[in-house]
This record gives sequence, structure tokens and C-alpha cells, in this order.
Amino acid sequence: ETGVTQTPRHLVMGMTNKKSLKCEQHLGHNAMYWYKQSAKKPLELMFVYNFKEQTENNSVPSRFSPECPNSSHLFLHLHTLQPEDSALYLCASSQMEVVNTEAFFGQGTRLTVV
Amino acid sequence: GDSVTQMEGPVTLSEEAFLTINCTYTATGYPSLFWYVQYPGEGLQLLLKATKADDKGSNKGFEATYRKETTSFHLEKGSVQVSDSAVYFCALRGGSYIPTFGRGTSLIVHP
Repeated sequence: ETGVTQTPRHLVMGMTNKKSLKCEQHLGHNAMYWYKQSAKKPLELMFVYNFKEQTENNSVPSRFSPECPNSSHLFLHLHTLQPEDSALYLCASSQMEVVNTEAFFGQGTRLTVV
Repeated sequence: GDSVTQMEGPVTLSEEAFLTINCTYTATGYPSLFWYVQYPGEGLQLLLKATKADDKGSNKGFEATYRKETTSFHLEKGSVQVSDSAVYFCALRGGSYIPTFGRGTSLIVHP
């Protein structure tokens, strides 16, 4: 399998649940990203991992907890979310130091918090 | 820091009309510039790119030219189709290596 794969595609969770989003890339990239895309808002960068090390955390609430066990896998652990956290969560990967190459995106996980 | 500004949408056109979506950027050094497209319910996918001044990126009838003097990378297509209806994002990668995206411009094409 090639490209960036996100699972699940859709997730409905209650505010007291704990769930995880998974992202996998088979492109040999060394950087992975989580973005949040809400209706009527710009794309929000949440976390950046470079060679498995977190290099960016854009003031994301602690109810979102990322994990990057290796350069091919990225998780976003979710707990005690709020309804305003409902959004499309996008994972992307790139070769960090090669700026003339694009980031590749997964298809996203549509999250609904009820 | 790096930033990208693109025109507000939605842009509504009839089929076969000419399309322009404006994009300007602020960055240090010599960034690479990209246009991505997002179809409903999907992630972003690369549409075209240009990596140095005066380069023209093109794909599927879309074009954009890297204009360093005006710090712009406007997207154009001569004749849009209903299937082009999507959200278009202008982006850059510069010294920080992390992709920077514009807000996105929704395009709606009517038959």
C-alpha cells in the first residue's frame, strides 16, 4: 500500500470516551503532521514530528495527545473531547529538509463529538 | 514568519468560464509554492507546484506562475468544468520546512 492512510474514516464519540486516530505512511518520509480542519476556518496545524521527535505543538489542548512510535506511524489519542472538537483531522507527511517537494495527505478522519 | 493569503470564496462560475484564484505570500528566502485541491470528503492533494522564480506549474488545464517580484502564485484555468468544483489551497514551503497553507478558496461550477 502506498501513500498516506488514515483510520478510521469516520468516528463518533461521546465526551467521556477515549479513542485514537491512526496514520500510516509508506513514502519513506521523515516528517509527519496532524492538521485540524473545521468548517469555515483555516487549516490548523496541530503537531509536527521530525524523525519521531515532536518539533511543533501549536498550543493544542492536552485532551489531544500525539504519539509517533516510528517515522511511518502517527497516532492522535483523544480523551474528554468537547463538541467544538468535531472536525476533519488530516494527517500528512513530507521529506522535511527537501522544500521543493510536496506534503502528502491522508483522506482524513471525520470526527463527531456528541 | 511565512504566510499565504488567498482570495475569499466561494467563487461561483458557469461551466467553460475562465478561472483565476489569487494567491500572495510572505516568506524569507526562496520558498517553493504549491496549489492543492480538496474534493468533498477527501484530503488535500497536490495540483501543481513551482520551485523557483518564473517557473510555471501546470496540471489538468490549471496553471500558476511563480512571480517573485509580486510575491504571487495565482491559479488559472481557461475553461472550468463542473468536476473542478472543490476547495483550492495555496501553500508554500520555505526555511521553516513546515508547509504553510492559505485559508482555501471554494470553487463552485454550475452546468
